[in-house]
Amino acid sequence: AQKVTQAQTEISVVEKEDVTLDCVYETRDTTYYLFWYKQPPSGELVFLIRRNSFDEQNEISGRYSWNFQKSTSSFNFTITASQVVDSAVYFCALSDNYGQNFVFGPGTRLSVLP
Amino acid sequence: DGGITQSPKYLFRKEGQNVTLSCEQNLNHDAMYWYRQDPGQGLRLIYYSQIVNDFQKGDIAEGYSVSREKKESFPLTVTSAQKNPTAFYLCASSMRTGNNEQFFGPGTRLTVL
Repeated sequence: AQKVTQAQTEISVVEKEDVTLDCVYETRDTTYYLFWYKQPPSGELVFLIRRNSFDEQNEISGRYSWNFQKSTSSFNFTITASQVVDSAVYFCALSDNYGQNFVFGPGTRLSVLP
Repeated sequence: DGGITQSPKYLFRKEGQNVTLSCEQNLNHDAMYWYRQDPGQGLRLIYYSQIVNDFQKGDIAEGYSVSREKKESFPLTVTSAQKNPTAFYLCASSMRTGNNEQFFGPGTRLTVL
């Protein structure tokens, strides 16, 4: 069975600090996909990134970066120079190649204080 | 504008009544999903549909029903058999299952009195 663990339930940082959100996954598939979503207070989930299991290159998008390591089954998300607008719940998710099992982690609530 | 709409944003019902939540998408996506989110919790899959006239149960389908008569629409009915229906319900769609991200609607917050 597929599983996603986000061990950090809540994180608080002061504005401009860097913060890393951890995501550890379990799957027996060789082909799979990993995702990160942001859920602001409004409630709607916003897609941030998709990564397939054959692409271990790290990715940077502005202040956001992602570190995918198959050896440790981790897909961590780092926000550099955090801002108050980054305050949200962040979900990591895992999908198999056929979409039969799309699993979300429990989420990490990030609070960025001014 | 392309996207997913859910209506209404807030919904109140008396205990014992069935209620139907609307979900419409104009993204031409094949797959659609319904999730339930309880306060401080993650998302749990209720039902999903990969094509019209076909749908599959998710992890917590008991007390819910769906239909997929049109590609654009995937309504969810919360029946009186659902023991704890008060929750935040999110609808999502994707181009094809598995290897494409899901896009989410704004959600419907259902409160059963």
